[in-house]
Amino acid sequence: QVQLVQSGAEVKRPGASVKLSCKASGYTFSNFYIHWVRQAPGQGLEWMAIIHPSSGTINYAQKLQGRVAMTRDTSSSTVYLDLSGLVSEDTAIYYCTRDPAIVATGTYPFDLWGQGTMVTVSS
Amino acid sequence: NFVLTQPHSVSESPGKTITISCTRSSGSVADNYVQWHQQRPGSVPITVIYEDDRRPSGVPDRFSGSIDSSSNSASLTISGLKTEDEADYYCQSHDNNKWVFGGGTKLTVL
Repeated sequence: QVQLVQSGAEVKRPGASVKLSCKASGYTFSNFYIHWVRQAPGQGLEWMAIIHPSSGTINYAQKLQGRVAMTRDTSSSTVYLDLSGLVSEDTAIYYCTRDPAIVATGTYPFDLWGQGTMVTVSS
Repeated sequence: NFVLTQPHSVSESPGKTITISCTRSSGSVADNYVQWHQQRPGSVPITVIYEDDRRPSGVPDRFSGSIDSSSNSASLTISGLKTEDEADYYCQSHDNNKWVFGGGTKLTVL
């Protein structure tokens, strides 16, 4: 089954760090970029970062530079997102989603999303 | 980085047609593909339009997309509105390895 499965909900104190995971299965991991997108309660979608699973090339949203790190483990087809210096504004649902790195019939950007991980930052 | 601006909300009656605009603040809308994503309350977003005007398998042909270089904007049109179309709609594009979402438009079908 083609899917992205994310780790479970997290509750963190302000100033702490959180590490989220996104495990891909059912498709060739190296053929798709993985993005992280978040959504604060009642707010819109915010793009955070992208990684190419094969090369490891990463790009981050300028707003998050210095606080965010994206890594991957090709052996387990898993991508990770580390977010440090948490503040209440980081409270959101965090989604991973894929984006074709090669042209292929039937695929398109953001064609598959993880189920989302709720991160709550509260003292 | 550029900004994608959408109307905050639109509403229309079942059976009618609506168009949601998405205006790019800088750079050309024609330079990078635009996608449109639908998000119903409590659900994960799904793509309804990709590469400006292409429709994924399973998305009704009531959904269509276009771009207009003269206004530097993209549009999502939904015809024959159904109550099930009620959702938030987000445009999305990218440039210089940065991806951007519009602020979202809440569609109410009343």
